[in-house]
Amino acid sequence: NAGVTQTPKFRILKIGQSMTLQCAQDMNHNYMYWYRQDPGMGLKLIYYSVGAGITDKGEVPNGYNVSRSTTEYFPLRLELAAPSQTSVYFCASSYSMIDTQYFGPGTRLTVL
Amino acid sequence: KQEVTQIPAALSVPEGENLVLNCSFTDSAIYNLQWFRQDPGKGLTSLLLIQSSQREQTSGRLNASLDKSSGRSTLYIAASQPGDSATYLCAVPYAQGGSEKLVFGKGTKLTVNP
Repeated sequence: NAGVTQTPKFRILKIGQSMTLQCAQDMNHNYMYWYRQDPGMGLKLIYYSVGAGITDKGEVPNGYNVSRSTTEYFPLRLELAAPSQTSVYFCASSYSMIDTQYFGPGTRLTVL
Repeated sequence: KQEVTQIPAALSVPEGENLVLNCSFTDSAIYNLQWFRQDPGKGLTSLLLIQSSQREQTSGRLNASLDKSSGRSTLYIAASQPGDSATYLCAVPYAQGGSEKLVFGKGTKLTVNP
């Protein structure tokens, strides 16, 4: 049972480039989430999904897109990367919003 | 709007000391409250989830209490060890305008000195 896995661990992008952050979970959780964590700012929810085919915006969705075609995978797409998207990105999953969330190890992204 | 505050932002204690981390929230209509641990460069690990109907939840040397009426939770760590050094975050689920999310505090960075 691998839990929540994320790839890549680190990435450096140039302004204007695009990339997809991968997230997978093997716990058959319905809910999946993407957060970003900036120093001194805490965790901010970007997007979340309550099941395959259903996604919704969180607090800071601008500049990002998500899709959820299966229960296991929840990729996060960055289009036209900007320096403001330099952050650590965490994927998480849970059975429901009120259950324990399990976090992946994170992806550290730098946009130069 | 739900806001979660953790004070202090950082705490340094000698090994062996018992300590208390504080978490406060503005909207007392919560389902539960979760405490997480985050090691440097790592993701969050769930420590304890305390339901709104509970007053305490224990796991080993950790004890979390919840007082909904006052909007407070504490995480008590007994006989602290250097391995307890990490950032501790609390979070509550919150639904607003059809959107659900977990609202996090900014965390307390704990350093336990040998």
